[in-house]
Amino acid sequence: EVQLVESGGGLVQPGGSLRLSCAASGFTVSSDYMTWVRQAPGKGLEWVSVFYSGGNTYYAGSVKGRFTLSRDNSKNTVDLQMNSLRAEDTAVYYCARCSPTCYYQCMDVWGQGTTVTVSS
Amino acid sequence: QSVLTQPPSVSGAPGQRVTISCTGSNSNIGVGYDVHWYQQVPGTAPRLLIYTNINRPSGVPDRFSGSKSGASASLAITGLQAEDEADYYCQSYDNRLSGSVFGTGTKVTVL
Repeated sequence: EVQLVESGGGLVQPGGSLRLSCAASGFTVSSDYMTWVRQAPGKGLEWVSVFYSGGNTYYAGSVKGRFTLSRDNSKNTVDLQMNSLRAEDTAVYYCARCSPTCYYQCMDVWGQGTTVTVSS
Repeated sequence: QSVLTQPPSVSGAPGQRVTISCTGSNSNIGVGYDVHWYQQVPGTAPRLLIYTNINRPSGVPDRFSGSKSGASASLAITGLQAEDEADYYCQSYDNRLSGSVFGTGTKVTVL
C-alpha cells in the first residue's frame, strides 16, 4: 500500500527550530517528486516546498532561507528542517507525492499531517 | 497568499449541479499550466479529485468533472450528494513563483 506518514510536529517558541519527517511506504521517494503543503488554522492550502527526484529543491517565498529539505534514501524519508520559526508558520504540515501521471504537477498521495504550533 | 481565485462558497440541494470556478493569470493557468482539484473534508488530508484539467483518479465518481479555458478552470459536481459537503481547492504551477499554487478554496454546502 502506498502511504506517507509525517512526524515531528509540536510546540516551539518563536525563533526556534523543528524538523519534520515524512516516511514513505509502497514507493521510493528518490524516484518521485515530494512536496510539503501547509494549512494554517481555518485557512486554505499553501505550497511550501518541493524535492525533485534529481535533487533540486524549491521553496515558497515565505519560507525560503529558513526551511531546508533533505532526503534519506536508506530510510525512504524526506525531512523538512524549519528554522527561525514565526507565529505565521503555525499550521498543519502535509507531505505529499507528486504523481508522474500529471507530470509531477499534482499530488496523488498525502500524509495525515503533523501540527506545528509556534507560540511563546 | 493564493494566486488562484475561487468563490468562498457554493451550495445546492441534493441532486442539483454546482460549479466552482478557479481564476488564474498569465503566470500560471493562462500560460498553459494544468489545473488539478482536491477535496478536503475538515480535519482530514486533501484528496486528489481531478488531475490535468479533466481526468479523474480511480475511485472518484463520474459526478465530478473538470474543464479549463484560457486562464480559468471549473469543477462541476452533478447529482450533488450529502457526502460532497467539503472544501475544494484548485492547484496549478506558477512560473513566476517557481512552484505550485493553490486556489483560495470553496466550501460546498448541501442544503
